[in-house]
Amino acid sequence: GDSVTQMEGPVTLSEEAFLTINCTYTATGYPSLFWYVQYPGEGLQLLLKATKADDKGSNKGFEATYRKETTSFHLEKGSVQVSDSAVYFCALSDRQAGTALIFGKGTTLSVSS
Amino acid sequence: GAVVSQHPSWVICKSGTSVKIECRSLDFQATTMFWYRQFPKQSLMLMATSNEGSKATYEQGVEKDKFLINHASLTLSTLTVTSAHPEDSSFYICSAYPDRSSGNTIYFGEGSWLTVV
Repeated sequence: GDSVTQMEGPVTLSEEAFLTINCTYTATGYPSLFWYVQYPGEGLQLLLKATKADDKGSNKGFEATYRKETTSFHLEKGSVQVSDSAVYFCALSDRQAGTALIFGKGTTLSVSS
Repeated sequence: GAVVSQHPSWVICKSGTSVKIECRSLDFQATTMFWYRQFPKQSLMLMATSNEGSKATYEQGVEKDKFLINHASLTLSTLTVTSAHPEDSSFYICSAYPDRSSGNTIYFGEGSWLTVV
């Protein structure tokens, strides 16, 4: 079945450092790819998404490009802030098939000043 | 934008009792809704797919007699945790696609924290 693999955390960075969180996927169809963020004690927020190969999703300085050839959707940010500290989940879904989101295990990011 | 609302946000119940969590789509109809649970510091695990007017489809390992799902209308799905035990304490989240949309956006509820004491 479809699955998502994320790099294991925690990731600890200093403010203004460059961030990369790796995400790869396996899917039989043509999934859409997502990054969600979860702040402590809160629900999920959609951070960005891409619906087809070579699409780049971006939001709040975060970017991720849908790479079909490497089945990847790595999350990047050029300069992290303390407020970016959260858990980040990579996910996929196949809308055409009506399937639920499949999540990766999540990566905890901790940014210090 | 589309909104999915869950109620209650927090609930504490005694062992052996049942608790119901509601998931409503506030401005769209959803034939299908999804229920997830999340243990502390872990990922979201799909529990079941809730289908309006029919039985829910449960993921492997999820007890359908313990986690009762009722999708009575196009805007409401409920999850009832029956005979709750402390190990059922978790964060439960629902999500839904709008029916009349060709987009891929899934909307999530705010989640419901269940603590069984």
